[in-house]
Amino acid sequence: AQSVAQPEDQVNVAEGNPLTVKCTYSVSGNPYLFWYVQYPNRGLQFLLKYITGDNLVKGSYGFEAEFNKSQTSFHLKKPSALVSDSALYFCAVSLPSSASKIIFGSGTRLSIRP
Amino acid sequence: GAVVSQHPSWVICKSGTSVKIECRSLDFQATTMFWYRQFPKQSLMLMATSNEGSKATYEQGVEKDKFLINHASLTLSTLTVTSAHPEDSSFYICSARIAGLAGANEQFFGPGTRLTVL
Repeated sequence: AQSVAQPEDQVNVAEGNPLTVKCTYSVSGNPYLFWYVQYPNRGLQFLLKYITGDNLVKGSYGFEAEFNKSQTSFHLKKPSALVSDSALYFCAVSLPSSASKIIFGSGTRLSIRP
Repeated sequence: GAVVSQHPSWVICKSGTSVKIECRSLDFQATTMFWYRQFPKQSLMLMATSNEGSKATYEQGVEKDKFLINHASLTLSTLTVTSAHPEDSSFYICSARIAGLAGANEQFFGPGTRLTVL
């Protein structure tokens, strides 16, 4: 069965510092990988996705993620954090054969202090 | 583009009543919509997959008679929580996949509906 793990419940970073939110996955086959962000009492906003090609994917709001097949990871990164980046981040995986189902990780709360 | 709306954004109801939540794709057609449930500080759990013109496919453990899903058109899916109880209180989020869009399985999410059952 496919699964997604986000090992950190919370990540705390000072504004201006680089941030990393970790994600690893377990699937049989070639996955599609996604990152979404959720602000309080709001739905999910799409940040970026990996389908194929370049392992480094650039997304919205200056975020990027690197697909590492050997480590089955898809960590989210940003070179310089903003206070407004504070939110809940979800990593997700889907398989082409899975009828569009997306499986979400448990989420990581990112807190950026001024 | 690819905007999904939900109505209502929040609802409070008495135990035993039924509540209908609408999910609309505003600027695209969606053959497939998804309904998720999210408890506080938890991840999204897929409840069911809704296909236009056919019966919804429910995930294991989700009662199809309690959570009625109708996908009558390419832009509208509804979730009705029947005979709601306090344990049904949750944040319900829908998403939609663009019809005919090959690959990626990308979904576009609605803003969510917070249901509180008293």
